[in-house]
Amino acid sequence: GQNIDQPTEMTATEGAIVQINCTYQTSGFNGLFWYQQHAGEAPTFLSYNVLDGLEEKGRFSSFLSRSKGYSYLLLKELQMKDSASYLCAVMDSNYQLIWGAGTKLIIKP
Amino acid sequence: TAGITQAPTSQILAAGRSMTLRCTQDMRHNAMYWYRQDLGLGLRLIHYSNTAGTTGKGEVPDGYSVSRANTDDFPLTLASAVPSQTSVYFCASSDSRINEQFFGPGTRLTVL
Repeated sequence: GQNIDQPTEMTATEGAIVQINCTYQTSGFNGLFWYQQHAGEAPTFLSYNVLDGLEEKGRFSSFLSRSKGYSYLLLKELQMKDSASYLCAVMDSNYQLIWGAGTKLIIKP
Repeated sequence: TAGITQAPTSQILAAGRSMTLRCTQDMRHNAMYWYRQDLGLGLRLIHYSNTAGTTGKGEVPDGYSVSRANTDDFPLTLASAVPSQTSVYFCASSDSRINEQFFGPGTRLTVL
């Protein structure tokens, strides 16, 4: 079966750095997406990785290792507004997104 | 630009009743999707459409139907609602099936 694993909840301090991990087992791979979802709102796109390596976009970076079935999202200089759920999703061989349950990130002052 | 709109925002529905959730996008995206999001679970794909006039089944299609008569609209119909269909429903669209998806604000549905 297809499976996406990510931690249920993480806590970090304002101004610090946090890494949210995602491991996956899917039938085929056509890219990995990270989305941010604030409570009660819709998911919004953060990043896309299809090749191995690090993609940097401002305070957010995303890393992919296809051989290990592993990705992480790195958030730097954390701000209170970063408190949200972070969703990892893999596009399978049918070009359908398989979603993890999300990691709820709590930022403390 | 509105992006994607969904209606209604929330609804309480008696079991056995039918209902259509509406979704409209103004980005001229080819692909559209319906997901449900339940606590502790990832988003699950119900139905999708890669282009106007075509639809496909996702992971959890039973009890739901869709149509795609034009590019902008992608309604989701529950023919006879059951309590297990209580969920938050998100509509999404993308320029093509390999691009990032843009989500509507969601419809919170409670079936009693």
